[in-house]
Amino acid sequence: AQTVTQSQPEMSVQEAETVTLSCTYDTSESDYYLFWYKQPPSRQMILVIRQEAYKQQNATENRFSVNFQKAAKSFSLKISDSQLGDAAMYFCAYRRRDDKIIFGKGTRLHILP
Amino acid sequence: KAGVTQTPRYLIKTRGQQVTLSCSPISGHRSVSWYQQTPGQGLQFLFEYFSETQRNKGNFPGRFSGRQFSNSRSEMNVSTLELGDSALYLCASSPNYGLNQPQHFGDGTRLSIL
Repeated sequence: AQTVTQSQPEMSVQEAETVTLSCTYDTSESDYYLFWYKQPPSRQMILVIRQEAYKQQNATENRFSVNFQKAAKSFSLKISDSQLGDAAMYFCAYRRRDDKIIFGKGTRLHILP
Repeated sequence: KAGVTQTPRYLIKTRGQQVTLSCSPISGHRSVSWYQQTPGQGLQFLFEYFSETQRNKGNFPGRFSGRQFSNSRSEMNVSTLELGDSALYLCASSPNYGLNQPQHFGDGTRLSIL
């Protein structure tokens, strides 16, 4: 069965610094998508970034980028120039074709002013 | 464009009762998914609907059911409520059904079972 593991339940980073959230997943599939979602204290979850397994180039969205290591089944999220608004719960998610989405347990990120 | 709307926002029920939660997707979105979020289990997938058909189902008992209407709105029903059903229930919509479809989430319905 596919699993998604986020090994860091909580992390803290100083404002303006860079932080990396880790995510590993287990799958025997070759065609799948990976996602990072952010859930701020107000609860609404939003998509941060997504990566197609077939693409070797790491996805980037402004200050957010991923380090996708397919062979190692690793999908970490790097947040550069951290801002107070980045404080949230971050969820890593995996989805294979025609199947449900599986989320990790999440990493709570604190931004220190 | 309005986001995903879930009603009600809060709900208190007692054990043994049943409850229906509603989700209106973003206009034009045809896929709706439901999730249960608890501190212990995290985010767990309940089911996904597309074109009024259930496409995927998570590992939940038959007390949990859902449906989707022709206007893409969806409802989720839980019968014979148990204390463990207390959770935040999130609905998400996507334009279509597929591997790469990003999920747009609603604010959720907080269900408390007494």
